[in-house]
Amino acid sequence: QQQVKQSPQSLIVQKGGISIINCAYENTAFDYFPWYQQFPGKGPALLIAIRPDVSEKKEGRFTISFNKSAKQFSLHIMDSQPGDSATYFCAASSGTGNQFYFGTGTSLTVIP
Amino acid sequence: GAVVSQHPSRVICKSGTSVKIECRSLDFQATTMFWYRQFPKQSLMLMATSNEGSKATYEQGVEKDKFLINHASLTLSTLTVTSAHPEDSSFYICSARTGGGGYGYTFGSGTRLTVV
Repeated sequence: QQQVKQSPQSLIVQKGGISIINCAYENTAFDYFPWYQQFPGKGPALLIAIRPDVSEKKEGRFTISFNKSAKQFSLHIMDSQPGDSATYFCAASSGTGNQFYFGTGTSLTVIP
Repeated sequence: GAVVSQHPSRVICKSGTSVKIECRSLDFQATTMFWYRQFPKQSLMLMATSNEGSKATYEQGVEKDKFLINHASLTLSTLTVTSAHPEDSSFYICSARTGGGGYGYTFGSGTRLTVV
């Protein structure tokens, strides 16, 4: 059973455009929602994360929007660049020290 | 920042042999480490949770006798794939909580295992 559902599976965006990736969850015990960026042959790297007590968090070109009532959260990449081309995973966790549940991943391609 | 070093990055082994993958926390102590497996173009699947000084906790469907995990110190966890077969070929990734009571987790760079 997929604890975190992610869409779309793949995304193609032109340079300068906005990339949007969505995730949904069911377990209301989740209280930490990170996004990871993974390049081929490399481990995931933390991009940005949010706790459910805020509805939005922005770091540079990356923004997480969080809707607690809908149990959804999304990643927005503004002014997308070819260097952003990677696979993005959303995840969710409950409590410190507990495992992460990952979404199925989104392969983002930013074309020049 | 917290760094998790994973070695080797790539390994090719013959069917029937064993392979050991190391995961080290370089600048922090990791009481808990997680081992994941990732197939091409798929998500990370948790295999087991490794706790320093105690037995690992394996996820359902993961053979603990095949995937041996040892977490003998606060900075080192190892995953040994025993009697490897071609179907064990995959990308294996470890992660560790960076401590401080927070939610920070750092991932290793992964190990590409190919069994021929």
